[in-house]
Amino acid sequence: QVQLVESGGGVVQPGKSLRLSCAASGFTFSLYTMHWVRQAPGKGLEWVAVIASDGSNENYSDSVKGRFTISRDNSKNTLFLQLNSLGAADTAVYHCATNYDTNGFDAFDIWGQGTTVTVSS
Amino acid sequence: EIVMTQSPATLSVSPGERATLSCRASQSINSHLAWYQQKPGQAPRLLIYGASIRATGIPARFSGSGSGTEFTLTIGIVQSEDFAVYYCQHYNNWPPITFGQGTRLEIK
Repeated sequence: QVQLVESGGGVVQPGKSLRLSCAASGFTFSLYTMHWVRQAPGKGLEWVAVIASDGSNENYSDSVKGRFTISRDNSKNTLFLQLNSLGAADTAVYHCATNYDTNGFDAFDIWGQGTTVTVSS
Repeated sequence: EIVMTQSPATLSVSPGERATLSCRASQSINSHLAWYQQKPGQAPRLLIYGASIRATGIPARFSGSGSGTEFTLTIGIVQSEDFAVYYCQHYNNWPPITFGQGTRLEIK
């Protein structure tokens, strides 16, 4: 079935880096724009970044621009998020998501279960 | 950036009652609005997109309406499994995509 599975989260010290992965299966990954969305503990949803299906274009929220980098490897059906210069405000569950069956609308009908990033000294 | 504002923050209803949740956009987003349901420890689940189109597998008791800046999610007859947090999200002229702060639907 259509599935996204994140990995790579953990506890990291302030200022350090982490790389998250999102493995896709059950659909033709290379055809779909992919997003990262995060949720801080007890808070709402925050869109983080997007990458085009062929990796040719990417965009970021202002809160992560210049520190995070989204990328993908279509040969391995995998999405990545490189997190640099981490701070306490980056502590969150990070989900990858895509619009798989929404007639082209940018609403996310496929989500991964999330991977937890905790920034703490 | 388009700001999405949801009301109320918490809505208390009894099972079998009707629930109406609101979402307002700071500027017109046409019908580029989605609604999600999230239960504790789970990823969000898409309910509605295009302001009024039910996503695959979503029960008919969930309906969406509105356009421009004012939107509504209605749960016709609330079931026990519907108690959760609901978020609206716009996808008009992005980035950035933004979400509302959420409405918690709780048992009265």
